[in-house]
Amino acid sequence: AQKVTQAQTEISVVEKEDVTLDCVYETRDTTYYLFWYKQPPSGELVFLIRRNSFDEQNEISGRYSWNFQKSTSSFNFTITASQVVDSAVYFCALSTPTGGGNKLTFGTGTQLKVEL
Amino acid sequence: DSGVTQTPKHLITATGQRVTLRCSPRSGDLSVYWYQQSLDQGLQFLIQYYNGEERAKGNILERFSAQQFPDLHSELNLSSLELGDSALYFCASSPRTSGSATQYFGPGTRLTVL
Repeated sequence: AQKVTQAQTEISVVEKEDVTLDCVYETRDTTYYLFWYKQPPSGELVFLIRRNSFDEQNEISGRYSWNFQKSTSSFNFTITASQVVDSAVYFCALSTPTGGGNKLTFGTGTQLKVEL
Repeated sequence: DSGVTQTPKHLITATGQRVTLRCSPRSGDLSVYWYQQSLDQGLQFLIQYYNGEERAKGNILERFSAQQFPDLHSELNLSSLELGDSALYFCASSPRTSGSATQYFGPGTRLTVL
């Protein structure tokens, strides 16, 4: 069975601080895909990044960066120089080919609050 | 804007009633997914359709059913509603059904059962 754990329920930082959101996943599949989504207070789910299991290259997009480590089954997300607009709930999710479909298994989310 | 549309945005109804939630996928996407987000269960996968056929099923109650029509829009039907069905229901779409396909989510329908 697939499982995603986001141990940090809530994180509060002051603007311009760096913050890392942790994500640990479990799967027996050798091929899998990892995702991060952002849910701002307005409620929609916004796609941020997708990573596949055979590509451990870290990725940077502006102030966002992702660290994928298969050895520790982790896919952590760092926001550099956080801003108030980054305040949201962030979800890590896992997808595997098992079962023939493409369902996402989500973690419980991390609420990030960025204050002035 | 993801390109996925959902109607209605809000729905308030009573226990025992039946409602239909509607979703239009992004242009060109063949796969549609339904998810439920509630405080106690978090984000849970309900069901997936690909080009009109059911592809995968999650923890979907027997009181719930879905279908995807020839024009690729999808409907989620919830019947004999209970207080615990109050949640945010998301539809998502992707071009194909493989695990690598990114799912883009609609704005959701907030269902309140009184």
